[in-house]
Amino acid sequence: AQSVAQPEDQVNVAEGNPLTVKCTYSVSGNPYLFWYVQYPNRGLQFLLKYITGDNLVKGSYGFEAEFNKSQTSFHLKKPSALVSDSALYFCAVGYGANNLFFGTGTRLTVIP
Amino acid sequence: DAGVIQSPRHEVTEMGQEVTLRCKPISGHDYLFWYRQTMMRGLELLIYFNNNVPIDDSGMPEDRFSAKMPNASFSTLKIQPSEPRDSAVYFCASSLPSGYNEQFFGPGTRLTVL
Repeated sequence: AQSVAQPEDQVNVAEGNPLTVKCTYSVSGNPYLFWYVQYPNRGLQFLLKYITGDNLVKGSYGFEAEFNKSQTSFHLKKPSALVSDSALYFCAVGYGANNLFFGTGTRLTVIP
Repeated sequence: DAGVIQSPRHEVTEMGQEVTLRCKPISGHDYLFWYRQTMMRGLELLIYFNNNVPIDDSGMPEDRFSAKMPNASFSTLKIQPSEPRDSAVYFCASSLPSGYNEQFFGPGTRLTVL
């Protein structure tokens, strides 16, 4: 069965420091992996995805994620955090024809 | 493109009343999804459609919930009768076919049932 785990409910990071939001997955077959961001009172916005190919995926707003098959991880990263990055981040795994299974979300707070 | 459009953005109703949430997907998207988000349960998939046909409604919590998609540009999620535990943010999303296409989410409808 497909599953996604985001082990941290909350991540705090100082502005300008690198940030990492963790995600591990369990899926049968080749995974399609996604990151979404949700700002207050908004819907989820797509950040990036891994389908195949290069393990390092670059996305919107300077975010990137690294697919690690041996560790079944897809951590979201950014070299230098901005206060405006503060939001709720969701990892998701694609399965079936067009379904996404979402993690529970990680709230990122960037401290000025 | 205006993106996925949902209405109303906020709905406050009393227990026992009928509630109808509306969604207009992005033109050309074959898939439409309804999600519910709460603090306790996170983001839950309720039902999804492919080419206006319901494919999987296993996430619909009970018979009080129903969803329709009469055409490619419109879908509704109805709750009748509503209960306080239905209070949540309901999202509609649409996408192109295939499992590796991202979903585009609407702004959501915040439902409060008193």
